[in-house]
Amino acid sequence: GAGVSQSPRYKVAKRGQDVALRCDPISGHVSLFWYQQALGQGPEFLTYFQNEAQLDKSGLPSDRFFAERPEGSVSTLKIQRTQQEDSAVYLCASSLARNYGAQYFGPGTRLLVL
Amino acid sequence: GQQVMQIPQYQHVQEGEDFTTYCNSSTTLSNIQWYKQRPGGHPVFLIQLVKSGEVKKQKRLTFQFGEAKKNSSLHITATQTTDVGTYFCAGYRNQGGKLIFGQGTELSVKP
Repeated sequence: GAGVSQSPRYKVAKRGQDVALRCDPISGHVSLFWYQQALGQGPEFLTYFQNEAQLDKSGLPSDRFFAERPEGSVSTLKIQRTQQEDSAVYLCASSLARNYGAQYFGPGTRLLVL
Repeated sequence: GQQVMQIPQYQHVQEGEDFTTYCNSSTTLSNIQWYKQRPGGHPVFLIQLVKSGEVKKQKRLTFQFGEAKKNSSLHITATQTTDVGTYFCAGYRNQGGKLIFGQGTELSVKP
């Protein structure tokens, strides 16, 4: 009965490094979401998958951000050439529903770019 | 673009007092959800409201969705220390998918 898991939980990167953040959604959940949460703010939408299809990537801040979910289960958020402004908590959530469903969040990956 | 605003940003109450947070959207929402995030934790789903004017209760928590589906509120009666955390409202646009979160209201409860 596992919930959403994310790895790593913490990541320290030097500016310019590439990072990859992993999300394991709840088994059977169709929809998967990535959010960026800055300290003291609400989660900001990054991108959304329904099965393996990326239906909305309007929230990705730049072309340095890329997300994939090739088999409709595990998802990876990749950030290339990290910048200090990328420092944040990256949250993954999954939902059983295709639309409008409750979202179940993972613990997040805290990224610090030095 | 669509924005969801929440007030107040912070609320400090004495245990036993009531608490209310308000959420307003610049556009009509298909539905609205409420989440709670404990310090150091992740958002946890509380409830979803879909119908205009809908009111739902969960023990001491009362959730309302406005008639125009552009605003919502969460009211906690007789707060307890376990209610501490940040409460977020979040709304879906008309085609689902993208969920827009408010900035949250951080509640602290003094025993």
